[in-house]
Order: sequence, then C-alpha cells, then structure tokens
Amino acid sequence: DAGVIQSPRHEVTEMGQEVTLRCKPISGHNSLFWYRQTMMRGLELLIYFNNNVPIDDSGMPEDRFSAKMPNASFSTLKIQPSEPRDSAVYFCASSPNRASNQPQHFGDGTRLSIL
Amino acid sequence: AQSVTQPDIHITVSEGASLELRCNYSYGATPYLFWYVQSPGQGLQLLLKYFSGDTLVQGIKGFEAEFKRSQSSFNLRKPSVHWSDAAEYFCAVGGGSQGNLIFGKGTKLSVKP
Repeated sequence: DAGVIQSPRHEVTEMGQEVTLRCKPISGHNSLFWYRQTMMRGLELLIYFNNNVPIDDSGMPEDRFSAKMPNASFSTLKIQPSEPRDSAVYFCASSPNRASNQPQHFGDGTRLSIL
Repeated sequence: AQSVTQPDIHITVSEGASLELRCNYSYGATPYLFWYVQSPGQGLQLLLKYFSGDTLVQGIKGFEAEFKRSQSSFNLRKPSVHWSDAAEYFCAVGGGSQGNLIFGKGTKLSVKP
C-alpha cells in the first residue's frame, strides 16, 4: 500500500525564491497535516485540513507561508518569499478522519535548505 | 491545554540492555497516547497506541508501553535493545476536539556495541 508521498525529497534554493512542497495523502484519508521539524523547535504543527478544508492554521509562522488542498489527493505548502530561517524538514501526514484517536501516517519529508 | 513532556533529550544504552523512555502528559480527560519512532532521514512511524482498556500495550519491533493514570505517564519499554533501535522517539497525545496530536520534543536513543 502506498503511504504518504512527499515531493521533492530535497530542495535547495536561494532566499527570496518561491518554494512549493507537495503531498499526496493515503487514499481514503480525510485529514491532512503539515509539520515543520528543526533542531531548535522540534516538531511543529503548521496547519491541518479535514475534508480539504483548513481547520487550524494557527501554526503557520507568517504570511509568507500558505497551504492549499484542492482535492482529497493533493496538498501544497508554499513559501514566498523564502528566507534562510525557513530551512527545516517539512513533513506531511494523513489520518483516516479527524477523530483524535486516529494515528497519523507520515511521509518521508522534504529537507529544505534556503541559502 | 494538552502537553507532552519527554524529560530525556538523549539516552545511550548498550546493545542487549533494557530500555525505558519516559513520557508525561497533561490532559483533563482520558487521553489517546501514541509513540512514534523516527530513523534518520525518514518520517515518523507509529510504534503503538493506547486508547482504553488494558494499560499495557504492545507495539511493533518488540516495544511496549504502560499507561499510568496516577502518574500521567506513558513510558516506552523494550527488554533488549538492538543496534537498529537507534533513532529518535516521540510521544504524542490526542484527545482534542480538533483531532490534532501534540508531540513531545523527542528522545534520541543511541545504542553502543
């Protein structure tokens, strides 16, 4: 069974450039989560969707970050313009529904480096 | 508000020795508790989960965890550690109305020969 698929696995770009991270959740999962992981701050929830609708984006650091989920099988996280402090590993996760007893299934992440 | 504390940032154990990783949570009602493992360069993989019932839960890779309500703890254990267990381990709590999980800061496990 295909798990959560993220692309690209690695991204290196210069500051000021637009960055788009992509995620394909597990088929049939209705909830999708975007996380950022850094050494300093650990694993932070950025935003999550249920049935393609953003439920809570309070973790999005600033207006440079935006996320969309145009359909049940695809989501993007965009940073524009990017800054060096955005360098981190970004994870996407999905779960069957928004019930809090549902485990989340993680992708392998996108390692983002902003020069 | 929900919170998760993993008191140990880094633990080193010898191969074959027993392991216990600590996790304390803060939550008003009965929580849903999870342990995840993250190997280098990979995402988080679910080891086990607790919802209700038997307070000792078994997971994959020989891990188990015990829910102790009186101590607000959900410690992860393994009787004999293998070198391949070297990774970072995250405890998480769910239970909010929004369906999100709250993760601890993680404990990095090193295994020495």
